[in-house]
Amino acid sequence: EADIYQTPRYLVIGTGKKITLECSQTMGHDKMYWYQQDPGMELHLIHYSYGVNSTEKGDLSSESTVSRIRTEHFPLTLESARPSHTSQYLCASSESGTQSETQYFGPGTRLLVL
Amino acid sequence: AQKVTQAQTEISVVEKEDVTLDCVYETRDTTYYLFWYKQPPSGELVFLIRRNSFDEQNEISGRYSWNFQKSTSSFNFTITASQVVDSAVYFCALSEGSARQLTFGSGTQLTVLP
Repeated sequence: EADIYQTPRYLVIGTGKKITLECSQTMGHDKMYWYQQDPGMELHLIHYSYGVNSTEKGDLSSESTVSRIRTEHFPLTLESARPSHTSQYLCASSESGTQSETQYFGPGTRLLVL
Repeated sequence: AQKVTQAQTEISVVEKEDVTLDCVYETRDTTYYLFWYKQPPSGELVFLIRRNSFDEQNEISGRYSWNFQKSTSSFNFTITASQVVDSAVYFCALSEGSARQLTFGSGTQLTVLP
């Protein structure tokens, strides 16, 4: 099981602010993911990374950006938060080369943009 | 067409009842993986089980059991003698292709009443 951490757990912020959601994992997993989820609803992949300096956009279009400078760290940034960004953001990681590449999730960040 | 269908949006049962959560998937791959995750009210996504397409053996873990049937493209999850702590949203997910990205169902909200 992966140890994967997200901070902050909850964030209330005003429109127009720049925010960065942190995600770190200690298992050395090469693949990392960001999902967006409205409460109790389906998860949508917004970004993923297969390794350092590799980032791709997911199925759901997002105004956020990500970076992967270190294996263990995969932050997500919103340059100018808007109420439509209000959601839960879940980070996950997996290890390639294993058959199933099971994704393990962090506790999530609940974002409220006023 | 949805690749993973969880037709039951919400289920309510009384404690100690058995409950089955349905999952139907769609894929053209011969090698794929199926997963169940639990999302309690706190928001994190907890991995429960994975199954590969070549292993149709049913699995039991305590009060949890899973029934995988390729003939009907189903991967159903049964909780025996349900408890209040089982109340959560349960997601079925499919991983296919070389990228091994997850496609989630829309989730089933299970409420276990005391």
